[in-house]
Amino acid sequence: TQLLEQSPQFLSIQEGENLTVYCNSSSVFSSLQWYRQEPGEGPVLLVTVVTGGEVKKLKRLTFQFGDARKDSSLHITAAQPGDTGLYLCGSSNTGKLIFGQGTTLQVKP
Amino acid sequence: EAQVTQNPRYLITVTGKKLTVTCSQNMNHEYMSWYRQDPGLGLRQIYYSMNVEVTDKGDVPEGYKVSRKEKRNFPLILESPSPNQTSLYFCASSFGAGLEAFFGQGTRLTVV
Repeated sequence: TQLLEQSPQFLSIQEGENLTVYCNSSSVFSSLQWYRQEPGEGPVLLVTVVTGGEVKKLKRLTFQFGDARKDSSLHITAAQPGDTGLYLCGSSNTGKLIFGQGTTLQVKP
Repeated sequence: EAQVTQNPRYLITVTGKKLTVTCSQNMNHEYMSWYRQDPGLGLRQIYYSMNVEVTDKGDVPEGYKVSRKEKRNFPLILESPSPNQTSLYFCASSFGAGLEAFFGQGTRLTVV
């Protein structure tokens, strides 16, 4: 069974700081998705990465897919309080859509 | 508006009393799934369905049942709920397992 390991699990930073969240697996991903979840809501897709080495940007968020497609990272530049939430990586595996444990990010003003 | 609708949002029940959580999507998605979310454990898939009349176990199926008689609906059934099924449940749908998943707003279930 493919497992997705996310790190760190918790991150509390000041507004304006940069941060990186990691998602790793012992297996190769066919594709990988990053979601963000706010309290009381379901997760919402941020991005899907498909090609090894791919880099995608979404305003201050940069997503990288490892060359071997076994790891991915999410980098946030100059974090803002509005970035606070739970960040989840997810991938499909033989029909299942599985997720990492999530990274809880708190950005203090 | 494209959406996944779960009902109810909140539910408190007693051990052993059968309950059903409904899920409906209006996007004509083939793939639907149920997750439970517990602190420190992330989202764990309970059951999924690739199309009508096709359902498969996820990673934590024990104590749950599902059915997919129509494309838009995917109810989650707890025949005899137990306190360890107290959790936050999400339904999701997409055109395929590896494609963008749309989630409902969640059902917070408490079994006493």
